[in-house]
Amino acid sequence: GEDVEQSLFLSVREGDSSVINCTYTDSSSTYLYWYKQEPGAGLQLLTYIFSNMDMKQDQRLTVLLNKKDKHLSLRIADTQTGDSAIYFCAEKTGGGNKLTFGTGTQLKVEL
Amino acid sequence: EPEVTQTPSHQVTQMGQEVILRCVPISNHLYFYWYRQILGQKVEFLVSFYNNEISEKSEIFDDQFSVERPDGSNFTLKIRSTKLEDSAMYFCASSDPLLAGTDNEQFFGPGTRLTVL
Repeated sequence: GEDVEQSLFLSVREGDSSVINCTYTDSSSTYLYWYKQEPGAGLQLLTYIFSNMDMKQDQRLTVLLNKKDKHLSLRIADTQTGDSAIYFCAEKTGGGNKLTFGTGTQLKVEL
Repeated sequence: EPEVTQTPSHQVTQMGQEVILRCVPISNHLYFYWYRQILGQKVEFLVSFYNNEISEKSEIFDDQFSVERPDGSNFTLKIRSTKLEDSAMYFCASSDPLLAGTDNEQFFGPGTRLTVL
């Protein structure tokens, strides 16, 4: 079955790059996503990548996908205090719309 | 910007009681979903709903759970007889597969925290 794993915490200094990692087990993943959750808010989609791509860049965000190792990463350049949140990796597999989420990585940005 | 809303933000109930969690999806969306997150655990898929019927459900979504779209705007999750282990944050989401340039992106509400005592 599907399983998605992430490290629980990451702390970076403001202005540095953050790299949040995720591994997944289902090789039939079609899309992989990064969601952000700020306190008291819902899950906000940041970006997604189709499984036949290996990189996607969107302003400060870079997503890298290593399909062979089933590893996904999100790089945030020039991390700001407003980036402090929980970041969830998620995958969509098969023909349905069900998302399988990781546990989330709490990113803390220090001054 | 349109958004998914959920009420209440926090619901406290006694074990064995029925609860109804309410969601108002984005108005022109066609797919609706419920997910839950038990404290400290992963966000888990419960059910998806399309064209007035369940299109997909997980093992968690047993006979104690039901969903309904009672009118043109609300989407509800009912738990018939709550158990302690139903305590979690419940997220509603909606999507529109016809929205150009997206991958049927699921828009999430802020969640309802359910506490079963």
